[in-house]
Amino acid sequence: QVHLVQSGAEVKKPGASVKVSCKVSGYTLTELSRHWVRQAPGKGLEWMGGFDPEHGETIYAQKFQGRVSLTEDTFTDTFYLELTSLRSEDTAVYYCATGGDFQEFDYWGQGALVTVSS
Amino acid sequence: QSVLTQPPSVSGAPGQRVTISCTGSSSNIGAGYDVHWYQQLPGTAPKLLIYGNNNRPAGVPDRFSGSKSGTSASLAITGLQAEDEADYYCQSYGSRLSGYVFGTGTKVTVL
Repeated sequence: QVHLVQSGAEVKKPGASVKVSCKVSGYTLTELSRHWVRQAPGKGLEWMGGFDPEHGETIYAQKFQGRVSLTEDTFTDTFYLELTSLRSEDTAVYYCATGGDFQEFDYWGQGALVTVSS
Repeated sequence: QSVLTQPPSVSGAPGQRVTISCTGSSSNIGAGYDVHWYQQLPGTAPKLLIYGNNNRPAGVPDRFSGSKSGTSASLAITGLQAEDEADYYCQSYGSRLSGYVFGTGTKVTVL
């Protein structure tokens, strides 16, 4: 059973960057396909980026290209999302998730609220 | 923005059957990619409900079922219960360029 625990809430100013972490337990990081999904207040789910097993590489949603970076630390089984040049529209709950064999998201973190406000 | 279209809301009385549609295109569902469904209770993370069009993860009641045909998919909930009141999202894959795609989401209300 995979368990994902995310870092806490953050408040950032416009133009700043944020880095959200997701610690894996129950499996080692390299055994899992890792993804990030966000949800703005009162809105739907939006996939940001993650490992695409069909092409064997990390891919990003076009709207975040150039602003998002996905990294990992295999020693601590933790993966990260960094989003730069924050604006108010980036205020959202950011979820980490793992990808299953059918390209579904089978396990989810608890979410981390990022608030962008001056 | 969401690429898969769902009705904003559906409702039903306890015990009734409701269905939620998910309409895509030839670039995602119609290209043969699987459809998955998630249930999101208020204030919580989404939970996988159906994967691979019509498979239930362990622990998901058989009241929930999925189907797929052409460029669309559906989630059916039979024997509706108060605890089913939540937001539901479909999801598929839309190619290397568009990546993974979600539906617009549907709020289910139990009358």
